[in-house]
Amino acid sequence: GDSVTQMEGPVTLSEEAFLTINCTYTATGYPSLFWYVQYPGEGLQLLLKATKADDKGSNKGFEATYRKETTSFHLEKGSVQVSDSAVYFCALSDRQAGTALIFGKGTTLSVSS
Amino acid sequence: DVKVTQSSRYLVKRTGEKVFLECVQDMDHENMFWYRQDPGLGLRLIYFSYDVKMKEKGDIPEGYSVSREKKERFSLILESASTNQTSMYLCASNSGYSNQPQHFGDGTRLSIL
Repeated sequence: GDSVTQMEGPVTLSEEAFLTINCTYTATGYPSLFWYVQYPGEGLQLLLKATKADDKGSNKGFEATYRKETTSFHLEKGSVQVSDSAVYFCALSDRQAGTALIFGKGTTLSVSS
Repeated sequence: DVKVTQSSRYLVKRTGEKVFLECVQDMDHENMFWYRQDPGLGLRLIYFSYDVKMKEKGDIPEGYSVSREKKERFSLILESASTNQTSMYLCASNSGYSNQPQHFGDGTRLSIL
């Protein structure tokens, strides 16, 4: 079945460091890919999405490119801030499986000043 | 902006009680979802619904049921609460296309004593 694998955390960085959180997927169809962020005590918020191969999603300085050849959707940010400390989830939605999301287990990011 | 509202942020119940978690969305979305979130396990789908009075089992439906009598409201029911149902519960909704993101409520942290 479909699945999402993302790097284990926690990831600990200093402010202004470069961030990469790896995400790979397995899907039988042509999935849409998402990154969600969860700040402490809150629900999940959509960070960015990509719906077809080679699409690049971007928001708030974060970027991720849909790579069909490597089945990956890695999240990157050039310069993290303390306010980026949160849990990040990679997810896919496969048309063949309806619209329910399949999530990775989440990566905790902690940024210190 | 889409608003998904969960009736309680925190809830404490006793084993054996029947527990109702309510979720309301204001965007006329066809699809609604219930997930539970546990450390190290990420988000797991309990039930979802594509339309009023329609429901589908997710990955972990045992011990739960749902009700969707109106399009905007999706209720999760713990028939006889047990301590292993202590968790964070997240409700989400989206329109009927797999490339559309899900919008999440802030979650209900449920403790079963």
